[in-house]
Amino acid sequence: AQSVTQLDSQVPVFEEAPVELRCNYSSSVSVYLFWYVQYPNQGLQLLLKYLSGSTLVESINGFEAEFNKSQTSFHLRKPSVHISDTAEYFCAVSRKAAGNKLTFGGGTRVLVKP
Amino acid sequence: DAGVTQSPTHLIKTRGQQVTLRCSPKSGHDTVSWYQQALGQGPQFIFQYYEEEERQRGNFPDRFSGHQFPNYSSELNVNALLLGDSALYLCASSSTSPGGGWETQYFGPGTRLLVL
Repeated sequence: AQSVTQLDSQVPVFEEAPVELRCNYSSSVSVYLFWYVQYPNQGLQLLLKYLSGSTLVESINGFEAEFNKSQTSFHLRKPSVHISDTAEYFCAVSRKAAGNKLTFGGGTRVLVKP
Repeated sequence: DAGVTQSPTHLIKTRGQQVTLRCSPKSGHDTVSWYQQALGQGPQFIFQYYEEEERQRGNFPDRFSGHQFPNYSSELNVNALLLGDSALYLCASSSTSPGGGWETQYFGPGTRLLVL
């Protein structure tokens, strides 16, 4: 079985400051890794994913995450946040042969302050 | 192109009642997964449907059942509702990769169920 731990339940951050959301996972088999974002009263949107290849993946809105196999981590970073980045962020994993079943962490709520 | 749609958006039920939630997948998608998101928690996988069959199931009791129709839409049924079933129920759709690789799941806005 897989499990995902998001180490911070809430992260307050000032606008234009950097932010890092930490994610560690546990799995006995190879996994795919994901970050989803959930804006208030909305469903989940895929932010970025790691399937294979380069361990650094980027999203179109300035987020990046790095897969670290030895530390079983997939931390999410953004060098400069905007007010519109206020949301809840979920890290998730999927076994490579699991037919897309996602196992999510508990989420990190990011509150961007002006 | 409509994304994943779910109905109803909100629902209030009392303990012991039964509820049916509905999901229409994104156009071209043939696989539907259901997740339960309790307040303040991450989503938990309930089950997945493909070709009208339950393909995978999470750790949920038999009170949770589902169905997929020939047009790929899906229903989630919950019997004998408990207070703890209060949650946001999310539907996600994806297509089946010919090579067996991972396909992006697209989530609907969810149905918020309150059990009193």
